[in-house]
Amino acid sequence: ETGVTQTPRHLVMGMTNKKSLKCEQHLGHNAMYWYKQSAKKPLELMFVYSLEERVENNSVPSRFSPECPNSSHLFLHLHTLQPEDSALYLCASSRTQGENQPQHFGDGTRLSIL
Amino acid sequence: GQQVMQIPQYQHVQEGEDFTTYCNSSTTLSNIQWYKQRPGGHPVFLIQLVKSGEVKKQKRLTFQFGEAKKNSSLHITATQTTDVGTYFCAGRNWLTGGGNKLTFGTGTQLKVEL
Repeated sequence: ETGVTQTPRHLVMGMTNKKSLKCEQHLGHNAMYWYKQSAKKPLELMFVYSLEERVENNSVPSRFSPECPNSSHLFLHLHTLQPEDSALYLCASSRTQGENQPQHFGDGTRLSIL
Repeated sequence: GQQVMQIPQYQHVQEGEDFTTYCNSSTTLSNIQWYKQRPGGHPVFLIQLVKSGEVKKQKRLTFQFGEAKKNSSLHITATQTTDVGTYFCAGRNWLTGGGNKLTFGTGTQLKVEL
């Protein structure tokens, strides 16, 4: 139990579908992150939220749309994805967005695009 | 942009042998964190190093931060099957200012055979 819960654990979708990934943290943290983990590639930071405000967008295509309604919840809305978007999407949180904070990861959502 | 490389990419050892992974950054880092990801799991924070030349130990694991703060190493003494997984370093570029934006290394996958 990491304190960071992601749903669903697995998702298969067509390129024309719209779906959302959900992340919830029970650690009282103020910062949340979305990462993409592809085979044979380092973890790629996608978005950073601090106190529900987006503070980082790492040149992510607009077909990925994050939403942070409160400091405990983070969503990643997906639409018209491409096959190369198939990957493990990891959510993480940290106490603050300041430096020297360890990040706590969820189990991830394994996404497959048909 | 900042790049963080790790070598080796893969390592197979016999149980009881030692293991070392090296992390090298293209830029000076303000701190470095190490994470372990078990097969099918998510990254788990191990430790953070902040000072130049810092050495920290966790049981059989020894972590070192280089004097120039551009490289780091993780050494495991007498590996066990429970050490299996991928080890990632993650650093923050001191030039980017405040924030917890980590650049993850490429990872070293460790397999331990009986």
